[in-house]
Amino acid sequence: QVQLQESGPGLVKPSETLSLTCPVSGASITEYSFWSWIRRPPGKPLEWLGYVHSSGTTVYNPSLKGRFTISRDTSKNHFSLKVTSVTAEDTAMYYCARAINGALDFGLWGRGTLVTVAS
Amino acid sequence: QSVLTQPPSVSGAPGQSVTISCTGSSSNIGAGFAVHWYRLLPGMAPQLLIYADDDRPSGVPDRFSGSKSGTSASLAITGLQAEDEADYFCQSYDGHIIFGGGTKLTVL
Repeated sequence: QVQLQESGPGLVKPSETLSLTCPVSGASITEYSFWSWIRRPPGKPLEWLGYVHSSGTTVYNPSLKGRFTISRDTSKNHFSLKVTSVTAEDTAMYYCARAINGALDFGLWGRGTLVTVAS
Repeated sequence: QSVLTQPPSVSGAPGQSVTISCTGSSSNIGAGFAVHWYRLLPGMAPQLLIYADDDRPSGVPDRFSGSKSGTSASLAITGLQAEDEADYFCQSYDGHIIFGGGTKLTVL
């Protein structure tokens, strides 16, 4: 059974860098998949941040301001998200998710990790 | 403001049926891009309820059904149960992945 579970700090100071990882168990990160990061700020809708494809290609939400980087580590079988220069607006529940076809329906999600940006 | 518009809230009594709409435009749903639906419960991983407009993943009860017409899609839930009380989101594509604003379902 494939499982995802986000990990990272629950609290980040403004202007610092947020780093999250999503270890993949039960499957190889090189299997045909779109490994995504999605967030939900409090009281707001889901926002797709981007994905790293199993081939290594990355695609980002064009509405983001270039502070987001998604990468993968095949040796550790995980993928990661980095957000630089965080502000309070980056406070959100962050989810990692997997889609296995081009229709990009996310059939597998992690439970999410709450990240708060505060001093 | 989300590109896909959902009603902020819907409600129904146990056993009743509700429908949640997802209204887009000619550049997303109207262009033929697939619509998917998710249920979000606090502390749990979001769940895919409907994919590709009207297909159900294995394990999702047939109380949940999806449809699409023109620039809109809908999620219907029949036989409401207490555990259906959650937030529901639609998803499609418009140059990139987009989500609806979300709908809170209250089971009265």
